[in-house]
Amino acid sequence: AQRVTQPEKLLSVFKGAPVELKCNYSYSGSPELFWYVQYSRQRLQLLLRHISRESIKGFTADLNKGETSFHLKKPFAQEEDSAMYYCALILGGKLIFGQGTELSVKP
Amino acid sequence: EAGVVQSPRYKIIEKKQPVAFWCNPISGHNTLYWYLQNLGQGPELLIRYENEEAVDDSQLPKDRFSAERLKGVDSTLKIQPAELGDSAVYLCASSDRGGLSSYNEQFFGPGTRLTVL
Repeated sequence: AQRVTQPEKLLSVFKGAPVELKCNYSYSGSPELFWYVQYSRQRLQLLLRHISRESIKGFTADLNKGETSFHLKKPFAQEEDSAMYYCALILGGKLIFGQGTELSVKP
Repeated sequence: EAGVVQSPRYKIIEKKQPVAFWCNPISGHNTLYWYLQNLGQGPELLIRYENEEAVDDSQLPKDRFSAERLKGVDSTLKIQPAELGDSAVYLCASSDRGGLSSYNEQFFGPGTRLTVL
């Protein structure tokens, strides 16, 4: 079955430390992957997609087909990065989300 | 632009009661989605509409859940009767157009938090 796995429920780092939010996927074809973010009291919103290969708010994510991973990285975490992060795979027009990782950036 | 509008934001009901959620998508968006998000989980698609047609309802528990999008604009999701396990957040999203091989960004509403007692 196609699925997305985020192994960490909670990731806590200090401000200025590097961050890596892990995402692994199971899909036999060429995947289209995304990261969504939900800040406190805000709506779920798209952060970035692998196809565009852009950096948003200092975050990047590289698709590694060999390891079937799409980890989200940021070299220096900021307190405003604290949020829920969801990795997602699109399949047949349907988004399949991982369980989410809560990122907590402490001052 | 108000974005995707959902109401109510919160709903508390007793089990076996009916409940309905309403969603108004972003103007001009043809595709509308209903997701279920259980506590500690990511959203799971319940149903996807292209205009007024339900093109993917494979995950909708049809014995108690129903949805409609009569004029291809706003949509209603209903549960009758509600069970304890239906307590969750129900998210609505819309996008410019759907499709099997293309992706258009989905914009999410604030969700309706349902508590079934």
